[in-house]
Amino acid sequence: HVQLQESGPGLVKPSQTLSLTCSVSGDSITSGSYYWSWVRQPAGEGLEWIGLISTFGRTNYNPSLKSRVTISVDTSKNQFSLNLTSVTAADTAVYYCARVLMATMNPWGQGTLVTVSS
Amino acid sequence: AIQLTQSPSSLSASVGDRVTITCRASQDISSDLAWYQQKPGKAPHLLIYDASTLESGVPSRFSGSGSGTEFTLTINTLQPEDFATYFCQQFNRYPLTFGGGTRVEIK
Repeated sequence: HVQLQESGPGLVKPSQTLSLTCSVSGDSITSGSYYWSWVRQPAGEGLEWIGLISTFGRTNYNPSLKSRVTISVDTSKNQFSLNLTSVTAADTAVYYCARVLMATMNPWGQGTLVTVSS
Repeated sequence: AIQLTQSPSSLSASVGDRVTITCRASQDISSDLAWYQQKPGKAPHLLIYDASTLESGVPSRFSGSGSGTEFTLTINTLQPEDFATYFCQQFNRYPLTFGGGTRVEIK
């Protein structure tokens, strides 16, 4: 079965760029009509959708983050990535990647905590 | 953006109780709604999609209903492993949005 795993630095300095990768295992990232998404969750708070990408590179971003977000896909490595620029403490959160099909997000990665601090 | 308002934000219940959580959308989203369960320190887990379709492997004590702007998640005969936070999510229109969550605690 498909599994997703986030990776990347756990600590990012203010004003720098947060970069995370989601590795997909158990199936090809190009199989099926899937989209691939990022969601974040500050400690003790709710879920915020960041954006998603198709395996053809078509993207859709949350307008609240659109000016700072880039999501890309590398089909040769079976992974997709998130870049968030000009980070502040407000970007501190657990970041999840997830597979999207029709009206579902399933499965999700286990999540990775990113702290923005100097 | 479509706002999803969950109520209550938290509730206390006992094992064996029936629990109902409501999710109201700020505009018509047809049946484009999913429900997730999240336990502390874990990722959300899909329970229901298309408002009322049970995800494979999810116990039948979970059920969803509704369309348009009002939706409910019902847990019949609450089990110890059901104490968690539940979120709704709409897929009708970008940006995708989530409800604020309902925390189900042990009474």
